[in-house]
Amino acid sequence: DSGVTQTPKHLITATGQRVTLRCSPRSGDLSVYWYQQSLDQGLQFLIQYYNGEERAKGNILERFSAQQFPDLHSELNLSSLELGDSALYFCASSVGGGSGPQHFGDGTRLSIL
Amino acid sequence: GQQLNQSPQSMFIQEGEDVSMNCTSSSIFNTWLWYKQDPGEGPVLLIALYKAGELTSNGRLTAQFGITRKDSFLNISASIPSDVGIYFCAGQLVGGSQGNLIFGKGTKLSVKP
Repeated sequence: DSGVTQTPKHLITATGQRVTLRCSPRSGDLSVYWYQQSLDQGLQFLIQYYNGEERAKGNILERFSAQQFPDLHSELNLSSLELGDSALYFCASSVGGGSGPQHFGDGTRLSIL
Repeated sequence: GQQLNQSPQSMFIQEGEDVSMNCTSSSIFNTWLWYKQDPGEGPVLLIALYKAGELTSNGRLTAQFGITRKDSFLNISASIPSDVGIYFCAGQLVGGSQGNLIFGKGTKLSVKP
């Protein structure tokens, strides 16, 4: 058990809809990272938050947004969903905002019908 | 997005065999990490490397941070059936306060039929 909790485990929805994925980091970790894993692209970094502030942005679409709350949990919002958004979405956390190991949750599997 | 070159893509193992895999990059990293992912779960951290030339072991696993800081390898000695899974290398970029990881596409370990 990594200590990173993600909910829900599975999400099935339709094109055009909006969903929210939730992540609770390990106790004591201040950074939260979101990654997308698909068969063709592998694991891709989306966005990082550190202690409530956005720290880094990767290949995140404009239809996607995230935030980190004062209790350090984070949410990833995906809107105007398209078939191609079907993927596994992982959250990871680390103590600091720069270097250091990241520990991953078990992911949310998003299926768009 | 940017990715590491990880090889081999897949390999079959027989119990007791040693296994090697490696990652190369055109970019310099200040941290290399190796993860294992089992079906339905998130990547689990195996080994973290922080210094060029560093050689680190975790049980039957040994990983090295290349001297050029552009490569890393992972060895598994005397493989056992539970070693089956997908192994990912990940590099953390030099500089700045961002901590996002760049992942290889994975090496899939399967049992020889």
